[in-house]
Amino acid sequence: TQLLEQSPQFLSIQEGENLTVYCNSSSVFSSLQWYRQEPGEGPVLLVTVVTGGEVKKLKRLTFQFGDARKDSSLHITAAQPGDTGLYLCAGEDGSSNTGKLIFGQGTTLQVKP
Amino acid sequence: ETGVTQSPTHLIKTRGQQVTLRCSSQSGHNTVSWYQQALGQGPQFIFQYYREEENGRGNFPPRFSGLQFPNYSSELNVNALELDDSALYLCASSVGPGIQYFGAGTRLSVL
Repeated sequence: TQLLEQSPQFLSIQEGENLTVYCNSSSVFSSLQWYRQEPGEGPVLLVTVVTGGEVKKLKRLTFQFGDARKDSSLHITAAQPGDTGLYLCAGEDGSSNTGKLIFGQGTTLQVKP
Repeated sequence: ETGVTQSPTHLIKTRGQQVTLRCSSQSGHNTVSWYQQALGQGPQFIFQYYREEENGRGNFPPRFSGLQFPNYSSELNVNALELDDSALYLCASSVGPGIQYFGAGTRLSVL
């Protein structure tokens, strides 16, 4: 069974601080995606990483895919209150042709002004 | 705005009842996946429909069933509701195994 472990589960920081969220697995994924979900909404895709060692930047967010394609991290620089939300990593199950996503349990981020 | 709409947004049922949730896919998307998200957890894959056929299923009992229609809209049916079925149900549409676009979900409460 493929599992994704996210850490930390909860994070409460002050505006301007930096943070890193980790997503780890013992399984290899064909791709890994990061989503942000706000209350009452569905997950919204932030980025997809495909190649081992890949680094992608989205403004103040930096995403990295591990060399072995088993883990990933999300780093936010100078967090702002608008970054508050639930961050989810999801691995694509490459053993099927469905594009089935296996999600981590999520990291709830609260950025205080 | 992902172009994926779900209805209803909220639903309250009692244990043992049956429920039908609906999803309208983004235009041109032929694949729909359903996920269950319990409070404080990440979504869990229920099943996927591709061109009106089930195309993969997660670890959910047979009382969870689905349909996809020729216009690619979809339904999730749950029979004999249990308290643990209380969750946010998400559908996501895609073109085959491509990027999935999620709806806002249906919040189901089973009393």
